[in-house]
Amino acid sequence: DTGVSQDPRHKITKRGQNVTFRCDPISEHNRLYWYRQTLGQGPEFLTYFQNEAQLEKSRLLSDRFSAERPKGSFSTLEIQRTEQGDSAMYLCASSLVLAGGDEQYFGPGTRLTVT
Amino acid sequence: AQKVTQAQTEISVVEKEDVTLDCVYETRDTTYYLFWYKQPPSGELVFLIRRNSFDEQNEISGRYSWNFQKSTSSFNFTITASQVVDSAVYFCALSEEAGGGADGLTFGKGTHLIIQP
Repeated sequence: DTGVSQDPRHKITKRGQNVTFRCDPISEHNRLYWYRQTLGQGPEFLTYFQNEAQLEKSRLLSDRFSAERPKGSFSTLEIQRTEQGDSAMYLCASSLVLAGGDEQYFGPGTRLTVT
Repeated sequence: AQKVTQAQTEISVVEKEDVTLDCVYETRDTTYYLFWYKQPPSGELVFLIRRNSFDEQNEISGRYSWNFQKSTSSFNFTITASQVVDSAVYFCALSEEAGGGADGLTFGKGTHLIIQP
């Protein structure tokens, strides 16, 4: 059973450029989450999908951020016109929600550096 | 609003000592879920435990144990006979919905645990 995978693992970009990250969840999981983690902090929730539907977005997710999950499989997170404040680790997690709840399993993350 | 507080920023102990990581949470819901995750230097968050608010039984798994007390809104984590491989950042997290739901998991700032040989 493979875990959650993310690509790329590292991304360095110049301010103003667009970047896109990919997340492949555990295959049978129906929920997919995106978080952002900055140095010395815990992960902060950005958005989540139930199958292909995006059900919630955090106020942290400005208009420059967009996420998709076509066909309820992998997901992409795009940041347009990157700013230095976007530098962070972007984490993806997936879960299979059953009665009584279930836990989220995290991928290795994509570390974004905006210069 | 929900909140998780991990007051211990960093703890350093010598190998084989017991160590307890504190977690205090705030929530208005009567049904909620508490989690502990481990983040080793490699960076990937590793799930350790989930506890439902209606189940106050403490849990032991090998050298790990968890003490859940609703009266003090605490969910503390103890490592017995610590080992160098336990060195990591440990996060406590809270969710008001099964599996994370609309607001995802709310994490504390983490406790950096250093186990010295």
